[in-house]
Amino acid sequence: DVKVTQSSRYLVKRTGEKVFLECVQDMDHENMFWYRQDPGLGLRLIYFSYDVKMKEKGDIPEGYSVSREKKERFSLILESASTNQTSMYLCASSSPFDGGNTEAFFGQGTRLTVV
Amino acid sequence: AQSVSQHNHHVILSEAASLELGCNYSYGGTVNLFWYVQYPGQHLQLLLKYFSGDPLVKGIKGFEAEFIKSKFSFNLRKPSVQWSDTAEYFCAVKGYSGYSTLTFGKGTMLLVSP
Repeated sequence: DVKVTQSSRYLVKRTGEKVFLECVQDMDHENMFWYRQDPGLGLRLIYFSYDVKMKEKGDIPEGYSVSREKKERFSLILESASTNQTSMYLCASSSPFDGGNTEAFFGQGTRLTVV
Repeated sequence: AQSVSQHNHHVILSEAASLELGCNYSYGGTVNLFWYVQYPGQHLQLLLKYFSGDPLVKGIKGFEAEFIKSKFSFNLRKPSVQWSDTAEYFCAVKGYSGYSTLTFGKGTMLLVSP
């Protein structure tokens, strides 16, 4: 069974803290993604990565950075957490092959609250 | 840039009613289309997908969707909803390239009353 695992289900952090959200996939996928989900706004892409040590900005990268040192692991970093970063964060992975007919697999999400 | 528009933010139905959730997309090329579902307290799950071929695709739990290329639409349907279908539904589009990203609509919250 395919699996995308996010390290925490719930996190509470203080304003100004550096926050790490970890994601691991066991499907040997090249592509990995970080989204945030907010009521009424759907899922918005923060960053994605096509391969180890590669990263691309998504639609809302401000205030975030990412790290991909190993193929299976993709980390989202909030350099200095702010209250407007309180949200549900979703990690996903997919394979770029199969002629482009690929679906993304999602983790269970991390609900981050910044106080 | 690709985008997805879902017609309804909230839908309330009684059990056994028929369901149709609208989805329109904007993308200048061949697309892959998806409907995802998120049940209360659970993670996002794939409901169905369209890659090519028959524009009428069937998914899990009796859901189906029809891809109408001329209308840039991918509407989700179910002939008879159940209370257990209460969830949030997301339409998503991806370009045909394996390196394209997935763009989501804002979601439709479906509440089915018993």
